[in-house]
Amino acid sequence: GNSVTQMEGPVTLSEEAFLTINCTYTATGYPSLFWYVQYPGEGLQLLLKATKADDKGSNKGFEATYRKETTSFHLEKGSVQVSDSAVYFCASLFSGGYNKLIFGAGTRLAVHP
Amino acid sequence: DVKVTQSSRYLVKRTGEKVFLECVQDMDHENMFWYRQDPGLGLRLIYFSYDVKMKEKGDIPEGYSVSREKKERFSLILESASTNQTSMYLCASSLEGRSHSPLHFGNGTRLTVT
Repeated sequence: GNSVTQMEGPVTLSEEAFLTINCTYTATGYPSLFWYVQYPGEGLQLLLKATKADDKGSNKGFEATYRKETTSFHLEKGSVQVSDSAVYFCASLFSGGYNKLIFGAGTRLAVHP
Repeated sequence: DVKVTQSSRYLVKRTGEKVFLECVQDMDHENMFWYRQDPGLGLRLIYFSYDVKMKEKGDIPEGYSVSREKKERFSLILESASTNQTSMYLCASSLEGRSHSPLHFGNGTRLTVT
């Protein structure tokens, strides 16, 4: 079946460090891919997305590239801030799915000054 | 800005009680969803609706039902609450049918069943 696997957390970094959160998917086709972020006490917000192979999604300094050959969509940021502390969810959407997203387990990021 | 409002932030209920979780969105979205969020499991889809009075089972519908009598409101019902339904419940809505538009989430309802 279709699934999303992302690296376990928590990830703890110092401010201005480089961030990578790994995400891979299994699919019978070519899904659209997303990163959502959940700040403390809030619901999820869309961070970025990519809808086809080699697309790069970017927002707020975060980037992720849709890699068909490795079925991956890793999230990166060159210099994290304390305000980036949150839980990050990778998700996939398959065509004809009425926007039914399949989410990964989530990765908690803690950034310290 | 789209606003998805969940009626309660925290709920504590007893085993066997009937529980209603309410969700309202203010942007005329067709699609609405109920997820539960558990540590290590991410978000799992319980039910969704793509139109008034329409509903579809998600991945874990057992023990739940839903109601969508008006476009803006989507209710999740626990007919007889059990302790394994203690969780964070997230409601979401989106604009279009089959093509993707972002899901807009409420802030969640943390339900504890004792």
